[in-house]
Amino acid sequence: QVHLQESGPGLVKPSQTLSLTCTVSGGAISSGDDSYWSWIRQHPGKGLEWIGYIYHTGGSYYNPSLKSRVVMSVDTSKNQFSLKLSSVTAADTAVYYCARYLHDGSFDYWGQGTLVTVSS
Amino acid sequence: EIVMTQSPATLSVSPGERTTLSCRASQNIGSNLAWYQQKPGQAPRLLIFAASTRATGIPARFSGSGSGTDFTLTISSLQSEDIAVYYCQQYKNWPLTFGGGTKLEIK
Repeated sequence: QVHLQESGPGLVKPSQTLSLTCTVSGGAISSGDDSYWSWIRQHPGKGLEWIGYIYHTGGSYYNPSLKSRVVMSVDTSKNQFSLKLSSVTAADTAVYYCARYLHDGSFDYWGQGTLVTVSS
Repeated sequence: EIVMTQSPATLSVSPGERTTLSCRASQNIGSNLAWYQQKPGQAPRLLIFAASTRATGIPARFSGSGSGTDFTLTISSLQSEDIAVYYCQQYKNWPLTFGGGTKLEIK
């Protein structure tokens, strides 16, 4: 059973960089050619927005709507992957989820989510 | 970007009722569709992938159908624990996109 856990600051100041890490347990992040490690966010009371994914080799793809501000990275030695979102504003306040995306198209494992508030 | 539209936004249902939720894609996505259930304060849970395949451990009362642009999630006999928000998601094209959700309420 794969388990994902997000960690990082719950409060970020406007114009700064939001940084989150997802720790994966129950399986190696580098195992399974069909696993893509993703970030998804949910604005308060709203729907889901896919941010992007990173593969264990470091390959990545970001949502064009956020691409200019997003960087994802992976650390296979720690079984972790990370998200950095720069120049944040109040519009980036959301619950951020990490999830495993399978090549077949579905997100089968999710973290519990972490609320990040952008405020001075 | 493929836009996913779900209807209705809110649905009031009684326990035991058959419930149908709809999802429409802005272009043909074949069967590249998944459904998720989200309860308050929880992460989404995968219910259905490939439009009609139940994920591991999902009760048989949940079924999915459709292809192309129109899809349906059916709950054959609603249980109280099924009260949640349901989202569809397409994976035909990048970026992956979700519908706005349908919230099930108790009538």
